[in-house]
Amino acid sequence: DQQVKQNSPSLSVQEGRISILNCDYTNSMFDYFLWYKKYPAEGPTFLISISSIKDKNEDGRFTVFLNKSAKHLSLHIVPSQPGDSAVYFCAATDLNAGKSTFGDGTTLTVKP
Amino acid sequence: EAGVTQSPTHLIKTRGQQATLRCSPISGHTSVYWYQQALGLGLQFLLWYDEGEERNRGNFPPRFSGRQFPNYSSELNVNALELEDSALYLCASSLVRNEQYFGPGTRLTVT
Repeated sequence: DQQVKQNSPSLSVQEGRISILNCDYTNSMFDYFLWYKKYPAEGPTFLISISSIKDKNEDGRFTVFLNKSAKHLSLHIVPSQPGDSAVYFCAATDLNAGKSTFGDGTTLTVKP
Repeated sequence: EAGVTQSPTHLIKTRGQQATLRCSPISGHTSVYWYQQALGLGLQFLLWYDEGEERNRGNFPPRFSGRQFPNYSSELNVNALELEDSALYLCASSLVRNEQYFGPGTRLTVT
């Protein structure tokens, strides 16, 4: 039973346009959500996070939206840049258990 | 500030052997997490150590074990290696229980 799902394995967008990456979860015990970015041969890099008490968090070009009733979060990148091309993982954390559950990742390709 | 470091970068073992992977967290971080990323799969949570104690473990057999030392560095041991243990093993550290900072990983190949 996969508790965190990223249903799109890949996404391709044009430079300057918006990239929207989606993530769904099933466990209502998750209370903190994070997005990580991963380049080949490197470990994931923390990008942005959101607490379950909020519905939006913004950091520069990156905005994460959380819809608790739908158990859905999304990452918006505006405007997309070729350097954003990477694998993006969403992670859901049960803070008491200290355990983050990751999705399988979405490969984003931003075309110049 | 130095990031999370892991050693070795690559490790090749044969089936049945034991593998030891090492992780040094960011200075000041007390929690260390281990994840397995098998080819084509996402990150699977293995173990969480905090203040020298194992706090939680994922759905992995007991031959996956580890420990955290007084300086907060950590070791992951995999006994009786099987072919399907071949994966990238990632270590992460955190100061607070949300934002984890990852190392570059150790690529374990079991032949």
